[in-house]
Amino acid sequence: DQQVKQNSPSLSVQEGRISILNCDYTNSMFDYFLWYKKYPAEGPTFLISISSIKDKNEDGRFTVFLNKSAKHLSLHIVPSQPGDSAVYFCAASASTGGFKTIFGAGTRLFVKA
Amino acid sequence: GAGVSQSPSNKVTEKGKDVELRCDPISGHTALYWYRQSLGQGLEFLIYFQGNSAPDKSGLPSDRFSAERTGGSVSTLTIQRTQQEDSAVYLCASSLDWRKNNEQFFGPGTRLTVL
Repeated sequence: DQQVKQNSPSLSVQEGRISILNCDYTNSMFDYFLWYKKYPAEGPTFLISISSIKDKNEDGRFTVFLNKSAKHLSLHIVPSQPGDSAVYFCAASASTGGFKTIFGAGTRLFVKA
Repeated sequence: GAGVSQSPSNKVTEKGKDVELRCDPISGHTALYWYRQSLGQGLEFLIYFQGNSAPDKSGLPSDRFSAERTGGSVSTLTIQRTQQEDSAVYLCASSLDWRKNNEQFFGPGTRLTVL
């Protein structure tokens, strides 16, 4: 049972354009959502998070949007840079679930120069 | 400051042998997680140590897998009688406070190859 789904295994974007990575979840108890970035041969690194009391959180070029009614979140990167090429994981946790974090399968982003 | 470290970075073993993977979390972090990533797959949750409470072992794929966290710090993941399907990158992560939502800090992983 995949509670966190990233349905696009890969995405290709031109440098300077916007990258939009999507994530859907099924567990309505999730109240905290995170995005991680992973380069080859390295562990994932935290990128940005959002609490369920918000619908948007912005940090520089990265913005996460949360639509609770649709159980959907997205990560926008603008402008995209070649160094953003990596695998992006969506993750979610529930305060009532002991804060265990569930990860999606990841989306590989290619930013072309 | 030191991040999460894992050892060994690579491990090649023969089918049927036991292996131990080590994780040194960030000092003071009360939560520790183990995940594995098989080739082309996402992060599969294995086990979660939450402070001094009983660990959440719901992700361990079989009874050949076990993990300990001694003294609230170092953790060891043991795989007994390894099988070829155990080949994967095993990732450890820690977070500051298991009682709150907070980000995890990952180690570089241990790549396990079972021949």
